[in-house]
Amino acid sequence: DGGITQSPKYLFRKEGQNVTLSCEQNLNHDAMYWYRQDPGQGLRLIYYSQIVNDFQKGDIAEGYSVSREKKESFPLTVTSAQKNPTAFYLCASTLDGTLKGAFFGQGTRLTVV
Amino acid sequence: AQSVTQPDIHITVSEGASLELRCNYSYGATPYLFWYVQSPGQGLQLLLKYFSGDTLVQGIKGFEAEFKRSQSSFNLRKPSVHWSDAAEYFCAVGADDDMRFGAGTRLTVKP
Repeated sequence: DGGITQSPKYLFRKEGQNVTLSCEQNLNHDAMYWYRQDPGQGLRLIYYSQIVNDFQKGDIAEGYSVSREKKESFPLTVTSAQKNPTAFYLCASTLDGTLKGAFFGQGTRLTVV
Repeated sequence: AQSVTQPDIHITVSEGASLELRCNYSYGATPYLFWYVQSPGQGLQLLLKYFSGDTLVQGIKGFEAEFKRSQSSFNLRKPSVHWSDAAEYFCAVGADDDMRFGAGTRLTVKP
């Protein structure tokens, strides 16, 4: 079955460490997105990629980095520069670069300890 | 500026009662409109969406929503709530590569 998979589901990180969240899709979607979810704030866009080897910053890109070396994969690295990384992270993908038919992953909860 | 407002942070309804979750938006043009549901610790599941046409849209799990252009609203409704509907609900509006989410409304269902 086609889908979008995020791993791990729960992730713990020590302060000062970088950590990478995985997002893989087998839907043959061109566009992929990373959102961050904090209580009472809805979802905010971190980065998005419309095509392989290209990506753009979203509203809250500071302290994050991404890569898009393969169509299926869009990993997000939370760097030590991110001041408040504890959050729920959602990855999404769409077929045609619009968000009309977005599929979302199950999310990764990152906790800094 | 584009924005989405869900005025109710938390709503509690009795099982079997009707439900309406409010969503208001501010956007430059008529956007695409969505409602998503999120169970604890899970991703988002699309309930329904509006792009154009009939302003009353039907979704999964017995939900429907009505787009009212004059009020810039896209309220979600269900005639009879089930205990399994307890979750967080997000309204989202957007255009081709821009999607804005509301802060969410948490639904609690009383037995």
